[in-house]
Amino acid sequence: EIVLTQSPGTLSLSPGERATLSCRASQSVSSNSLAWYQQKPGQAPRLLIYGASSRATALPDRFSGSGSGTDFTLTISRLEPEDFAVYYCQQYANSPRTFGQGTRLEIK
Amino acid sequence: EVQLVESGGGLVQPGRSLRLSCTASGFTFGDHSMSWFRQAPGKGLEWVGFIRNKASGGTIEYAASVKGRFTISRDDSKSIAYLQMNSLRTEDTGVYYCTRGYSSPSYWGQGTLVTVSS
Repeated sequence: EIVLTQSPGTLSLSPGERATLSCRASQSVSSNSLAWYQQKPGQAPRLLIYGASSRATALPDRFSGSGSGTDFTLTISRLEPEDFAVYYCQQYANSPRTFGQGTRLEIK
Repeated sequence: EVQLVESGGGLVQPGRSLRLSCTASGFTFGDHSMSWFRQAPGKGLEWVGFIRNKASGGTIEYAASVKGRFTISRDDSKSIAYLQMNSLRTEDTGVYYCTRGYSSPSYWGQGTLVTVSS
């Protein structure tokens, strides 16, 4: 099973700042089969990034994904008020599909 | 418009069974694999399992935590995916989501709450 570890657990930033979220895998994620999701309270997760760096349909370009192998990053270039939420990475290279424990992005 | 609507959640005693349904619309259901995920209260996301579409073999995979207790099935004529949950445990409590696809799903239902408690 691939274990995903996200850091930091909580990130406190202000609107307009840059956010950098990390996801590290316990073994290489083949074909860069890694996705990022955003979840707000009471809502279903929303797909942001797939294939480590491909943006989901209609996703603002302030969101970007990068990385390969075992180290992946989600970057939000300029935070908007609606970006404060919990973010999860997920690997789908093999079963079981696994998620990181999440990073909470909160307003400073 | 793609829509996924889960139903069947509720309060159930430990050891009992429950069947969740995921009714799909807005796309050709039989062309897509379907997955189930869950989220315990205040916790992160957990994959439950998926069922591939017939063209991909219709195979099913489960998380170790539910294997042998949960069964995923589908009725392509009705555009419904099912999650049969037997021998429920308190740790199965949470919101259950169905999704279209089995890799990085972009379409999720709103979820249905399952509470396992005596």
